[in-house]
Amino acid sequence: QKEVEQDPGPLSVPEGAIVSLNCTYSNSAFQYFMWYRQYSRKGPELLMYTYSSGNKEDGRFTAQVDKSSKYISLFIRDSQPSDSATYLCAMGWREKFYFGTGTSLTVIP
Amino acid sequence: DAGVIQSPRHEVTEMGQEVTLRCKPISGHDYLFWYRQTMMRGLELLIYFNNNVPIDDSGMPEDRFSAKMPNASFSTLKIQPSEPRDSAVYFCASLPARVFNTEAFFGQGTRLTVV
Repeated sequence: QKEVEQDPGPLSVPEGAIVSLNCTYSNSAFQYFMWYRQYSRKGPELLMYTYSSGNKEDGRFTAQVDKSSKYISLFIRDSQPSDSATYLCAMGWREKFYFGTGTSLTVIP
Repeated sequence: DAGVIQSPRHEVTEMGQEVTLRCKPISGHDYLFWYRQTMMRGLELLIYFNNNVPIDDSGMPEDRFSAKMPNASFSTLKIQPSEPRDSAVYFCASLPARVFNTEAFFGQGTRLTVV
């Protein structure tokens, strides 16, 4: 079983839609949780991080962590064409973290 | 700082040849990671260093792969001999010593094609 599972998509939504991206994990030792965004032919860039259960909001983005269910989500409100990218969840402890395979998102104008 | 710098950006080589990928981390970062990204397997951690010392190389797929960090500003990932299944994008990332409230910064990656 992989440490982190993520639906690869692809996901295609109209501009303005609410997007929900999800990951599950199996290792209860994971302490912090992140979402990275990766544009085509670029390296991943950190979008959000959290190290507790609950919600964290940053503009149009909300990260949600449910440690009891080992489930994390990223919500994007009022999605824009510029949000079109691959979104990778990542989680771990100390300096070691594991990535999901990524979900490809396209926001159609 | 220019960020994490990787070279070359693209590499095409024939099966059996030696390939060397290079990385310059962000100055002052204590951790350096090598990842491999493919469509099927996503982003896989190959090896990481702390203060130039290899900490965990359990992700290195085979003895054909080796990595070194001779100093704080340079690391190499070598594949010898290369095989077509090594074709992937290889990323280097660096991280400061403080692990909470920090992010790993990734380079632009090296796209390797072995024919």
